[in-house]
Amino acid sequence: KAGVTQTPRYLIKTRGQQVTLSCSPISGHRSVSWYQQTPGQGLQFLFEYFSETQRNKGNFPGRFSGRQFSNSRSEMNVSTLELGDSALYLCASSLQGVVTDTQYFGPGTRLTVL
Amino acid sequence: AQSVTQLDSHVSVSEGTPVLLRCNYSSSYSPSLFWYVQHPNKGLQLLLKYTSAATLVKGINGFEAEFKKSETSFHLTKPSAHMSDAAEYFCVVSDSYDAGNMLTFGGGTRLMVKP
Repeated sequence: KAGVTQTPRYLIKTRGQQVTLSCSPISGHRSVSWYQQTPGQGLQFLFEYFSETQRNKGNFPGRFSGRQFSNSRSEMNVSTLELGDSALYLCASSLQGVVTDTQYFGPGTRLTVL
Repeated sequence: AQSVTQLDSHVSVSEGTPVLLRCNYSSSYSPSLFWYVQHPNKGLQLLLKYTSAATLVKGINGFEAEFKKSETSFHLTKPSAHMSDAAEYFCVVSDSYDAGNMLTFGGGTRLMVKP
């Protein structure tokens, strides 16, 4: 089975722009979660989608949004980019998104905001 | 609310010596606990997980962890370190939150292995 894939792998944007990141989960997985990794804050939960519905959301401003499609693929969008949004964005998928599920991570998208 | 504390931000060992990475957690529910490893410029790879079955969990590459509810700990060990074990390790708790789940990560422990 193919693993979780994320595109693009690297992205450079300027302040004020918006960006869309894409994630394709492992085949058969219905839950997709997004995390932000920075040197200062570590790994933080952004949101989780299951069957096209956002079930959980972390403590991030409304500039961060996402969606999930019927084939379980997911996108996240960040509008009005700030320098502090520079980070590695990781997507993870799991079968049902229950507590005992293992989340499998993609390689991440490294976003640099200039 | 759930939280995870990794007690050491950096651990340095010599090749062939034991590894101990310490993790304490707090959780309001019956959590699942995980250890993930991240090599430079790579994604996160699962080492092992605990889901309320056996308290001693064996993972990949010779790693194991013991769940101790009374101490709220989930320390990661390996009998003999290898150079390829040098990486960052994350202790993670998965707790119920409404109908889904979310992972809460510890701050990470960077393991250095000296030849």
